[in-house]
Order: sequence, then C-alpha cells, then structure tokens
Amino acid sequence: GIQVEQSPPDLILQEGANSTLRCNFSDSVNNLQWFHQNPWGQLINLFYIPSGTKQNGRLSATTVATERYSLLYISSSQTTDSGVYFCAVTGAGSYQLTFGKGTKLSVIP
Amino acid sequence: DGGITQSPKYLFRKEGQNVTLSCEQNLNHDAMYWYRQDPGQGLRLIYYSQIVNDFQKGDIAEGYSVSREKKESFPLTVTSAQKNPTAFYLCASSAGGRETQYFGPGTRLLVL
Repeated sequence: GIQVEQSPPDLILQEGANSTLRCNFSDSVNNLQWFHQNPWGQLINLFYIPSGTKQNGRLSATTVATERYSLLYISSSQTTDSGVYFCAVTGAGSYQLTFGKGTKLSVIP
Repeated sequence: DGGITQSPKYLFRKEGQNVTLSCEQNLNHDAMYWYRQDPGQGLRLIYYSQIVNDFQKGDIAEGYSVSREKKESFPLTVTSAQKNPTAFYLCASSAGGRETQYFGPGTRLLVL
C-alpha cells in the first residue's frame, strides 16, 4: 500500500517563529488532508489539499502531486499551535486514508 | 449543531469481555470509518462503510466487528479475540469515499 513519511518527527519553536512541516508519499493520491491533534486527542481538519496551495489565516499548505510531497507552513506560531500534525492520503483507486506518524510540535513562550 | 459524537469517552474492559463503542453522526454523510491510534503513532483503519448495510475491512480488522443498520450510526465491537485492545479509538465520517473526513472526539479503551 501507499507509504506516508512526515518530517521532522519533533519540532520545538519559540512563540512567534515560523515552521515548515513536510509530508512525502510513495504513490499517486486523490485525497490529501492535514490534521492537528490537540492534547485531548481531538483531530481537527486543517486542509483538504490533493494538489495546489491553500491558506487559512496563519496556516498554509502546498501539495506538489507530481513530486509526491506536501508542505504545511505555520507562521507566527502560538502556544495553542502545540500538538501533533498528521498528513493522511488516499491512494488512487482506494477509499482508505493512510496516515503518517505525525510531527509533534511544541511552541514555548 | 452538526457533528460526530462518540461514547463513552473512557471505557474499561476485563479480559475476555466484548465491548461496543458508539459512533453517531448528524452530518448526513454516507461514509463512516473506525480508526485505532496507539501512543506515539498515526491512525490505522479498522473498518469502513460507504453505504448502509455494507462495510469493508481495513488494515487491522482482526478481533473487531461492526454494523451499519442506519446511516447515522456505525458501532464498533471490540471482541475478546482482539489480543491488545488498549488504544484510542476514533470514528470519522465523510460525504463520499474520497471526500474530507471529519473526526469524533474518540474513546479511550483500557483493558484491566
């Protein structure tokens, strides 16, 4: 099946800093989502982005499907951005979302 | 409010017992999913259902069973055959099979 790799696995930032999280996938996809899992376990949808670029406030994402990667940008980070960020994809011909292992972000004051 | 509810929030199970986790959605979504998350790991798919009265196994279906008798409900039973059931269980739904998935708050299952 399709493989999803996220980097870095852990990231510590000072409040106000910017960061880039990366997601590589091994095959063509027809769905790619970015999620934020808060400390209570709730998964929050950030972006549905199988291709192209989207922005939502301080967050933006870009997926280059032909090169099989996606990037999540967080600008002016806040302590509330802490948590785990997951990338998940659905391969062509499949209905299953396959998750990466996540990037754990800690934003310190 | 539209959304996905899961109950209970915490569940304790004795060895050899079957337990059922509830998942309800009022988003009028056709597709529903169950995932398992172990500490420090991503989510893995247990079962999914594209329409009522139909469901398919995911990557780790052994020791679990589901039913989909109503569009809004997709309960998961963790049977005694599941060797290591302690985990965080998340339910999700989507309008269609490849559309955005939305997640419930999860149920933490602990085997005593």
